[in-house]
Amino acid sequence: DAGITQSPRHKVTETGTPVTLRCHQTENHRYMYWYRQDPGHGLRLIHYSYGVKDTDKGEVSDGYSVSRSKTEDFLLTLESATSSQTSVYFCAISPDSNEQFFGPGTRLTVL
Amino acid sequence: GQNIDQPTEMTATEGAIVQINCTYQTSGFNGLFWYQQHAGEAPTFLSYNVLDGLEEKGRFSSFLSRSKGYSYLLLKELQMKDSASYLCAVRSHDYKLSFGAGTTVTVRA
Repeated sequence: DAGITQSPRHKVTETGTPVTLRCHQTENHRYMYWYRQDPGHGLRLIHYSYGVKDTDKGEVSDGYSVSRSKTEDFLLTLESATSSQTSVYFCAISPDSNEQFFGPGTRLTVL
Repeated sequence: GQNIDQPTEMTATEGAIVQINCTYQTSGFNGLFWYQQHAGEAPTFLSYNVLDGLEEKGRFSSFLSRSKGYSYLLLKELQMKDSASYLCAVRSHDYKLSFGAGTTVTVRA
């Protein structure tokens, strides 16, 4: 299995609070991705990174920001969480933009 | 953008064969992926097609027809552990993946 972890694994927060999710890899892969997964929608890309400090928006980027200051870490921030951001968040990594390896996921509940 | 359709649910018997279809409409096609996801777990890679034809990997095979915007995943000799959700994903020219909503396969004894 690819060395990829996510923290926290579960989080409950209140509307309007900032939240940061962390993705950490030990594979030195170039590409990193953040997805959210909701019933009926499948996985949707939020942001992705193709190198340190190189990021781009995905399909559902509004309300989210990311940072990648080191190869191994990709942070997803919800500046002011809303109930519509309640979801399961998956991080993925890839050495070459082909096969993606997914982390275990973070279940976020915004009350 | 991408529009990806796959059936919501399928049920099959242990030892049987199941075919999961995926149709897509895309503004730029650069490969099609299939992932397996067990309940409460992360998706795991199954197969990748970029050219037309059949790719076989043990009990699992995947087919692609680019002209028809169509793919299928074939699961043979079904086992109980194959009960999972199967995700079809299309990659565009900018290397982003767009996923279908997934097909939940239930294998019955």
